[in-house]
Amino acid sequence: DAKTTQPPSMDCAEGRAANLPCNHSTISGNEYVYWYRQIHSQGPQYIIHGLKNNETNEMASLIITEDRKSSTLILPHATLRDTAVYYCIVRVAGGTSYGKLTFGQGTILTVHP
Amino acid sequence: DSGVTQTPKHLITATGQRVTLRCSPRSGDLSVYWYQQSLDQGLQFLIQYYNGEERAKGNILERFSAQQFPDLHSELNLSSLELGDSALYFCASSATLVADTQYFGPGTRLTVL
Repeated sequence: DAKTTQPPSMDCAEGRAANLPCNHSTISGNEYVYWYRQIHSQGPQYIIHGLKNNETNEMASLIITEDRKSSTLILPHATLRDTAVYYCIVRVAGGTSYGKLTFGQGTILTVHP
Repeated sequence: DSGVTQTPKHLITATGQRVTLRCSPRSGDLSVYWYQQSLDQGLQFLIQYYNGEERAKGNILERFSAQQFPDLHSELNLSSLELGDSALYFCASSATLVADTQYFGPGTRLTVL
């Protein structure tokens, strides 16, 4: 699975959009970009994933650059409850790794009042 | 609430002992994953079971073993415990072998004294 690089920490004001970047310059054509978050020692929570098109769900939007070497997770209206560690994970869907998720260090997002 | 349950929530034991952590996946999910989260290693994949069979293995120590039972619940057995085994242990489940979304339980916090 491709390696990802994320900033160690970011701040955001409550009510503003939080834009979390992720670099994955060695991503392969069959690798997806996944985002999970972990709120203070709780179990990680799935947010969104995509292959090459931009994706949106009720939690967030995922913007993947055309060359797929980087992506941005957007929380449109951050709240204090969005304070968490956000993990960007790149992996092949299927293959011998099956469902294994490889977590990096992630980005600590702190949302301020 | 992800629908994944883990027991116990907390476990305190001594070095050299053996413990069993239990996980019940979401209703209908066939895959179960175990992850370990320690302060120095971060979140690490240990092992995956699918419908009772081991399917993927990560950096799981030989002192650790797991199994998935016919009712699909899973147990992680940790033996000859060492201080360094103190960690949060998460179980996750997904519907299929390579599902995009994994649902994590609340974790078991193991403290080895």
